[in-house]
This record gives sequence, C-alpha cells and structure tokens, in this order.
Amino acid sequence: AQSVTQLDSQVPVFEEAPVELRCNYSSSVSVYLFWYVQYPNQGLQLLLKYLSGSTLVKGINGFEAEFNKSQTSFHLRKPSVHISDTAEYFCAVSRITRNKLVFGAGTILRVKS
Amino acid sequence: NAGVTQTPKFQVLKTGQSMTLQCAQDMNHNSMYWYRQDPGMGLRLIYYSASEGTTDKGEVPNGYNVSRLNKREFSLRLESAAPSQTSVYFCASSPNPPSGTITEQYFGPGTRLTVT
Repeated sequence: AQSVTQLDSQVPVFEEAPVELRCNYSSSVSVYLFWYVQYPNQGLQLLLKYLSGSTLVKGINGFEAEFNKSQTSFHLRKPSVHISDTAEYFCAVSRITRNKLVFGAGTILRVKS
Repeated sequence: NAGVTQTPKFQVLKTGQSMTLQCAQDMNHNSMYWYRQDPGMGLRLIYYSASEGTTDKGEVPNGYNVSRLNKREFSLRLESAAPSQTSVYFCASSPNPPSGTITEQYFGPGTRLTVT
C-alpha cells in the first residue's frame, strides 16, 4: 500500500521569503504524485502533478516540485511567497495502475507580513 | 460550467438521525469520490465509483452508504449519525477511464457536518 508523510504540520514564513514544503512517500510500485492547495473554507485545487518525464514540475501560482525517486520525495517550493499563499497544502500519491489517491496529513503555510 | 457541486454546505444532526449528502458534476467525468477531512489526518477516502453503476469501499466506509444515481450524481448517506462522523465531507470527480490511472481530481466546496 502507498503512504504519504508530510514532514511539517505548519510552516510559518515571512512574505517574499522562499519556502519548501516537504513530502515523502512510500510505495513498492511506480506512482504518480500530486500537490493540492486548500484555501480557507474551500475545496482542494490541483497545484501540480508528476506523471512522467522531467523530474522538475512547474505548477500554478509560481510553485514547483521536484520528484526524487531515490529519496522517495516530492518537495514543493516557491522562491518568494505572498500573503495570498496562506493555505493548507496536501501531497498525494496514486499507483499507476489504480484510480485512487492517498493523501498526506497536510501542511499549513502561514505567510506573515 | 459549475464543476462539482455539493449540498448542503452546512448541517447539524443529532446522534441517530440520518441524512444524505448530494454531489453532482457537469464535466462528464467517469469516476466520483467521497472523502472526509479531519484535522491532522488529511483526506480519507470513504467510497468511490469508478463508473456509473459501480461503487467500492475506500479506507473508512463504516457507517456510510453511497449511490451512483447516474453519471452526474453520487450521494453519500449516513443512516444513523454518530459524533465520530463530525467532519468536512468532500466530493470529487475524475475524468480517468473506469480502469485507468487517476491523473487529476476535481473537488467540490465541501459539506461541514456536525453531529451532537
């Protein structure tokens, strides 16, 4: 079975500073990887996904993530955050042959001015 | 194009009451999903439907039933609500083929349920 560990439950950061949200996964088979964002009192929306190809994936709102197979990680980064990036971020994984997602527990990003 | 819609947005139930959460999508997606979200636990899959006419249990199905009424609609029923079912419930849909790999899910705005 797959599992996802988000290493930080909360990440406080000042506006315009860089940020990295960490995600490790466990799987004995090949997987697809996703990052979703949830703004307060809203549903989840897709930030980016890794299916195949280049291990550096760019998403919406200036976010990017790097797939590292040897370290089974998929960390999310942004070089300069804005107050509007304050939200909860979820890492998720799916087996290539299955149609279900497994989510991590989430990381709350708090951007301070 | 409304995407994924859920009703109601908020609901308060007493222990033992029943209710149905409604979900509909207008994107002609094959697969639909019900999740619950609890603090510090991320989203956990309750039930899913890979295609019209099929449903399967997810990680936490106990206390719930589902109906895939047609391609558009997927409802979640609590027959006898318990305080442990207090949560935020999300419906999602996906365009992947019934036996295909998931590549993206689209989420509704959620239903916040409190059971007292």
